[in-house]
Amino acid sequence: TQLLEQSPQFLSIQEGENLTVYCNSSSVFSSLQWYRQEPGEGPVLLVTVVTGGEVKKLKRLTFQFGDARKDSSLHITAAQPGDTGLYLCAGESPEAGKSTFGDGTTLTVKP
Amino acid sequence: EAGVAQSPRYKIIEKRQSVAFWCNPISGHATLYWYQQILGQGPKLLIQFQNNGVVDDSQLPKDRFSAERLKGVDSTLKIQPAKLEDSAVYLCASTLGAGQGGLKTQYFGPGTRLLVL
Repeated sequence: TQLLEQSPQFLSIQEGENLTVYCNSSSVFSSLQWYRQEPGEGPVLLVTVVTGGEVKKLKRLTFQFGDARKDSSLHITAAQPGDTGLYLCAGESPEAGKSTFGDGTTLTVKP
Repeated sequence: EAGVAQSPRYKIIEKRQSVAFWCNPISGHATLYWYQQILGQGPKLLIQFQNNGVVDDSQLPKDRFSAERLKGVDSTLKIQPAKLEDSAVYLCASTLGAGQGGLKTQYFGPGTRLLVL
């Protein structure tokens, strides 16, 4: 089973600050997805990255896939209270085509 | 477009009782997944269906958990008998295409929160 480690586990910041959360593994993934999950809801897909070194931007969110396709990062600029939630990464195994979720980073943005 | 529907939203039972969860995926989605999400952890895949066939149930505790998708549309997940450690959120997700060979966009339902006392 491929493991995804997310860090930090918890992050509490003030509105307007920048932050980066990480998703790391010793295994190679064919693709990686980032989800955000709000309390009482299911995860919602934010982005899929496929190519090593790929960078994708979604408004104030920047996603990067590592060159070796073993790790990824999510950077949020000028965080807002609406960014509060659990950020999950999920990687797809190239051999089995199965996806594995990390345990997430719980982000709290205080007004 | 309607999303993935799940019921009930909450369930409280005593250990050794039985419980069933229901999921109706997005119309036309061939692949359906059941996940277990324990508090503080990410979702863990229990079972994946492609239409009405099982693709992957390697992490399903088959001594107590069962799932079916008889007509290739909605699905039920059952636990019998329940244990304390089964307390978790049970998430259902669906994708338009096949899960293997490519990670397709998974659309999740709101989940069923189970508490086993």
